[in-house]
Amino acid sequence: NAGVTQTPKFQVLKTGQSMTLQCAQDMNHNSMYWYRQDPGMGLRLIYYSASEGTTDKGEVPNGYNVSRLNKREFSLRLESAAPSQTSVYFCASSEAGTQYFGPGTRLLVL
Amino acid sequence: QKEVEQDPGPLSVPEGAIVSLNCTYSNSAFQYFMWYRQYSRKGPELLMYTYSSGNKEDGRFTAQVDKSSKYISLFIRDSQPSDSATYLCAPGAGGTSYGKLTFGQGTILTVHP
Repeated sequence: NAGVTQTPKFQVLKTGQSMTLQCAQDMNHNSMYWYRQDPGMGLRLIYYSASEGTTDKGEVPNGYNVSRLNKREFSLRLESAAPSQTSVYFCASSEAGTQYFGPGTRLLVL
Repeated sequence: QKEVEQDPGPLSVPEGAIVSLNCTYSNSAFQYFMWYRQYSRKGPELLMYTYSSGNKEDGRFTAQVDKSSKYISLFIRDSQPSDSATYLCAPGAGGTSYGKLTFGQGTILTVHP
């Protein structure tokens, strides 16, 4: 039982490049989330998916897209990366109100 | 104004001290209250949760909620160096928003031997 896994662990991009962050959970949870964490800002919700086939915007969705591929997987895509998207990205899944987090992806956009 | 405000610290205490971590919130729809602990370069992990006003104790940790004043606290007794981490309060609302959490900024705690 791996819980929530994220790939890659670390990525460096140049401004304008695109990339997809992958997230998978093996806990059979319906809800999944993408957050970014910046110093002094806490965790801010980018997008979430209450169930397979549905996605909704969170607090900071601009510049991102998501895909809920199936119940297990929820990916986050940056179409044209900007330096302001340098951050640590966390994926989470939830059941009964409790969220379980992955180990995070550190993204640096130059 | 942010929905959840948390003193970011940093907070530095000696081993054995009692630590008090606090949050205030403005959204009356919040019905349950989580505390997460995050070690350096790791993902947050659930520490405690409570669904009502009052105290909830788990070992050296006590979560306190006062809904009338919209105030959340986490107390750590006999603090240990292994408690050094960032602590995040995270209230959640019910209804269609059930499962979504709003996180405070996090308080960085260091317990030195």
